Amino acid sequence: DSGVTQTPKHLITATGQRVTLRCSPRSGDLSVYWYQQSLDQGLQFLIHYYNGEERAKGNILERFSAQQFPDLHSELNLSSLELGDSALYFCASSSSSTASGANVLTFGAGSRLTVL
Amino acid sequence: EDQVTQSPEALRLQEGESSSLNCSYTVSGLRGLFWYRQDPGKGPEFLFTLYSAGEEKEKERLKATLTKKESFLHITAPKPEDSATYLCAVQLRSNDYKLSFGAGTTVTVRA
Repeated sequence: DSGVTQTPKHLITATGQRVTLRCSPRSGDLSVYWYQQSLDQGLQFLIHYYNGEERAKGNILERFSAQQFPDLHSELNLSSLELGDSALYFCASSSSSTASGANVLTFGAGSRLTVL
Repeated sequence: EDQVTQSPEALRLQEGESSSLNCSYTVSGLRGLFWYRQDPGKGPEFLFTLYSAGEEKEKERLKATLTKKESFLHITAPKPEDSATYLCAVQLRSNDYKLSFGAGTTVTVRA
């Protein structure tokens, strides 16, 4: 158990629907990162939140949005789902701040989304 | 643009047959280079962080090294339980700590 909790573990839905993925970071970690992993693309960075504020965006579609709440858990919202959105979605957390050293990301077990 | 390239894509080894995985990167301002292990259907598990050229780190049968443009993950006398996908990632010197991953090398070790 990495300490990063993701729910649900599996989700099957239809095209055009909307889903919400939830992530609870490790205790004490202020940063949450979302990644998408599909068979042909590898791990792609979506978005990073630090202590409730958006810190960086990757190739995140406009149909996707995220937020980090005061209790530091985060949600990734995926809307108008398409077949190509089927993937594993990972959340990672770290204690990053403005420290100069490299910062290790700890990953959760992922949420597997299947869009039919 | 591709910042991190891993080779080979797949590696099949006999138990005890040592080998190396390569990770080359084309970025400037490297904060750190990371190696993760990922088992099928699971999240990546942290192995090592390397900070500067010449640095080496070891863990059991794994040894990671770093040069100015690439990193190697050496697997010595592998066992079937070393079968996994090994991911390399870079973290840049910026105000953000995201990792940019390579596509990974899938290692299969046969008994």
